[in-house]
Amino acid sequence: QKEVEQNSGPLSVPEGAIASLNCTYSDRVSQSFFWYRQYSGKSPELIMSIYSNGDKEDGRFTAQLNKASQYVSLLIRDSQPSDSATYLCAVELTGGGNKLTFGTGTQLKVEL
Amino acid sequence: EAQVTQNPRYLITVTGKKLTVTCSQNMNHEYMSWYRQDPGLGLRQIYYSMNVEVTDKGDVPEGYKVSRKEKRNFPLILESPSPNQTSLYFCASSLVPGTKNIQYFGAGTRLSVL
Repeated sequence: QKEVEQNSGPLSVPEGAIASLNCTYSDRVSQSFFWYRQYSGKSPELIMSIYSNGDKEDGRFTAQLNKASQYVSLLIRDSQPSDSATYLCAVELTGGGNKLTFGTGTQLKVEL
Repeated sequence: EAQVTQNPRYLITVTGKKLTVTCSQNMNHEYMSWYRQDPGLGLRQIYYSMNVEVTDKGDVPEGYKVSRKEKRNFPLILESPSPNQTSLYFCASSLVPGTKNIQYFGAGTRLSVL
């Protein structure tokens, strides 16, 4: 079992719709969770971090964390073509040394 | 401007010819790390450094070396590159080791080993 799993997609949504991206992780005691956005050929860019159960909202983005079920999700409201990118879920595993383990990413396509 | 700077951005080389990819950060971060990114495999950590003179292996360290003689610099060295090291490489840094520390990435170095 991979430590951090994401559906590779592509996930296609129409402009203005809500995009829902999901991530599951294997380490029950992970404490820190991040969503990075990566445009093709570019570096990952942090868009959300979440550390406690529940929802965290920042503009059009909402991160949701459920530690009991070991999943973290990212919702993008009012999706725009500029949101088309690969979204990487990253989990800071215990034993850490600040080690982030990344999922392989979900490709999102927002269609006009 | 706060940033992580990698050089070169693109590099084509031949098998066995030693190369160094430099990484520098101007944010006074203690933690630095190198990743490689390959299609279908995602980002995998090569080496990391918790502070000056402290380095440790990540998930895929074979064929790579690093050093951390100064806080701001963390070069990645390929002593004898091979074609399977063709990849996109990223350097990252964060303020201190430990939970909740956000990592900031450099722009990436695309390496081709012929």
